[in-house]
Amino acid sequence: DIVMTQSPRTLPGTPGEPASISCRSSQSLLHSNGYNYVDWYLQKPGQSPKLLIYMGSNRPSGVPDRFRGSGSGTDFTLKISRVEADDVGVYYCMQALQIPQTFGQGTKLEIK
Amino acid sequence: QVHLVESGGGVVQPGRSLRLSCAASGFTFSGYAMHWVRQAPGKGLEWVTLISDDGANQHYADSVKGRFSISRDNSNNTLYLQMNSLRPEDTAIYYCARGSGAYRSTSCYNWGQGILVTVSS
Repeated sequence: DIVMTQSPRTLPGTPGEPASISCRSSQSLLHSNGYNYVDWYLQKPGQSPKLLIYMGSNRPSGVPDRFRGSGSGTDFTLKISRVEADDVGVYYCMQALQIPQTFGQGTKLEIK
Repeated sequence: QVHLVESGGGVVQPGRSLRLSCAASGFTFSGYAMHWVRQAPGKGLEWVTLISDDGANQHYADSVKGRFSISRDNSNNTLYLQMNSLRPEDTAIYYCARGSGAYRSTSCYNWGQGILVTVSS
């Protein structure tokens, strides 16, 4: 199985300041079609997870452009350009390249 | 607007069975793969199983293989998860999620609100 490792596990965020989360996979997530099969999800307190980024860098409609996914192969990053109070929650990366699809352990964003 | 509503959860004794349902609306159900993802209390997300858009293909996490079975009724826009030989470690919130495509390598594009399954004597 592909292991997804996130860092940091806890992220203190300052409103208006940038923040980033790293996700590393134990195998390359780059498909022969050129896409990286990694997603990012946010689970706000008491809510279901929500898709933020799919296939490495694509944002579903309705996701603010403050959220950006980047990286290729085994190293990926989720960047929040300007943290807002509403961004608190746990962020997960997930690989969709291979079965079983696997999640990272999660990164908890807390507002300072 | 995509809407996914899980039902069928509850408290069940170890070794018993339970069937979850997920009613889908707001999209062409028969055109998308569907996932079940679970979250044990206070823990992270665990992918459980995937079924292709036509129901012909299913895949499972090792932790549930041979005990859980995913199926779908495209005529009634409903996804199912049959859970047999339940163990205490299966205690979790179970989410159904719409895939971003028809079969494999699909993101969990939309999520239901989740349903709690508690396995305890």
